[in-house]
Amino acid sequence: EPEVTQTPSHQVTQMGQEVILRCVPISNHLYFYWYRQILGQKVEFLVSFYNNEISEKSEIFDDQFSVERPDGSNFTLKIRSTKLEDSAMYFCASSEAGAPLHFGNGTRLTVT
Amino acid sequence: AQSVTQLGSHVSVSEGALVLLRCNYSSSVPPYLFWYVQYPNQGLQLLLKYTTGATLVKGINGFEAEFKKSETSFHLTKPSAHMSDAAEYFCAVSRYTGGGNKLTFGTGTQLKVEL
Repeated sequence: EPEVTQTPSHQVTQMGQEVILRCVPISNHLYFYWYRQILGQKVEFLVSFYNNEISEKSEIFDDQFSVERPDGSNFTLKIRSTKLEDSAMYFCASSEAGAPLHFGNGTRLTVT
Repeated sequence: AQSVTQLGSHVSVSEGALVLLRCNYSSSVPPYLFWYVQYPNQGLQLLLKYTTGATLVKGINGFEAEFKKSETSFHLTKPSAHMSDAAEYFCAVSRYTGGGNKLTFGTGTQLKVEL
C-alpha cells in the first residue's frame, strides 16, 4: 500500500537555526498537509496545500513557517528561525479530494 | 468551528474485555468523523471513518464506531481487546473545503490492555 514518507525521523537543531522537514506524499494525492503534536498535547493542524498554494493555515503557522512543493514529489515545511517551543512531532499528510488523510510517521524536531 | 472531546485520557481494559473509547463532537455542518490510532514511534493510522450513509461503520482490527447525531457522539468499540490494541487513539472531525479535508483532533485516549 502506498504511504507517506518523512525524513528525517529525528532532527535536532539549535534555537535560531533554520530547519527543513521533508515529506513525499502519496503520488496520486493532490492535497497536502502539515500537523504537529507537542509532547503530551493534541495533534494540531498547521497548513493545507493544494494546487501549488496554501489553501488554509492555522494561527500557529506564522511568518516563521513556509511550505513548498519544489518538484513533483516532495513537500517541505521550513521553519526559518526555530524556537524552543517549536519542539514537537511534525506529521505530513496527503489525501485525495474529500478523502481521509494518510499520515507519515512524523519527524521529531528537538530545538535546544 | 468544529471540535472534538474525548472523555478519558487513559483507559485500561483486560485482554478479552470490551473496549469503549468515547468521542463527542461539535460541528455546525454535517461532520466527517474519523478514528486514528498511533502506535509508539509511529504515525497516525486510519481505523475507520464516517462520512454519510450507514451510521455504524466498521474499521480495521475489529473496531467499529456508531455515529449518533442526537448525542453528537462517535464512540469507538471493540468486543474483545487484544494486547496488540494498546496504543493511543484519536477521534477527529473534519469538513471538506475546496482546499482539502482539514482535521480537528481530540486530545487522545491512551488504551492499556492488561492480562
